[in-house]
Amino acid sequence: EVELVESGGGLVEPGGSLRLSCAASGFAFNTYSMNWVRQAPGKGLEWVSSITSSSTYIYYGDSVKGRFTISRDNAKNSLYLQMNSLRAEDTGVYYCARGTETPDCWGQGTLVTVSS
Amino acid sequence: DIQMAQSPSSLSASVGDRVTITCRASQTIYSYLNWFLQKPGKPPKLLISAASSLQSGVPSRFSGSGSGTDFSLTISSLQPEDFADYYCQQTYSAPFTFGPGTKVEIK
Repeated sequence: EVELVESGGGLVEPGGSLRLSCAASGFAFNTYSMNWVRQAPGKGLEWVSSITSSSTYIYYGDSVKGRFTISRDNAKNSLYLQMNSLRAEDTGVYYCARGTETPDCWGQGTLVTVSS
Repeated sequence: DIQMAQSPSSLSASVGDRVTITCRASQTIYSYLNWFLQKPGKPPKLLISAASSLQSGVPSRFSGSGSGTDFSLTISSLQPEDFADYYCQQTYSAPFTFGPGTKVEIK
């Protein structure tokens, strides 16, 4: 069974850092591009970042460029999102999703709250 | 960056109604358009990819059409489990933007 499980969310003060992880199982992780998508409370979906299967190409949304870093470890079937200089507007549920052109599998999400 | 617009932002409909949601891109995205359904507290579910390709397991009452800049999602006969938020997303070029969403509510 294909499964994505996010972890690493929590409460952090403005200006702080968090590292999110996404553990993948049930498919050939090293053949898929991966994504992070977030959703602020009561708001719509916002694409955050994507990484190709071999990490050759990486893309970021304008709102996180220079502050967030996406990476992956194909040996560990894991995707990461290093988030620095966090702001209140970064608060929300962060989802990892498989496949950039066709995001067909999503995790349940991890909640990030940026507040003092 | 490519901007995505959806209409309507919300609609009220009854079980059995035919419902159409439209999505417009600010420039051509060919057929790089996905449709998602999301229920409260749940992750999005991919319904349609490449503008018109129904995902495995998705009921045939859902259909997608369009290419270039104008797209639509149609539910031929609305069912109780279809009341949810719907989003389009372009995957032609980064940033891979989502539309603002359409809330489908019970009349």
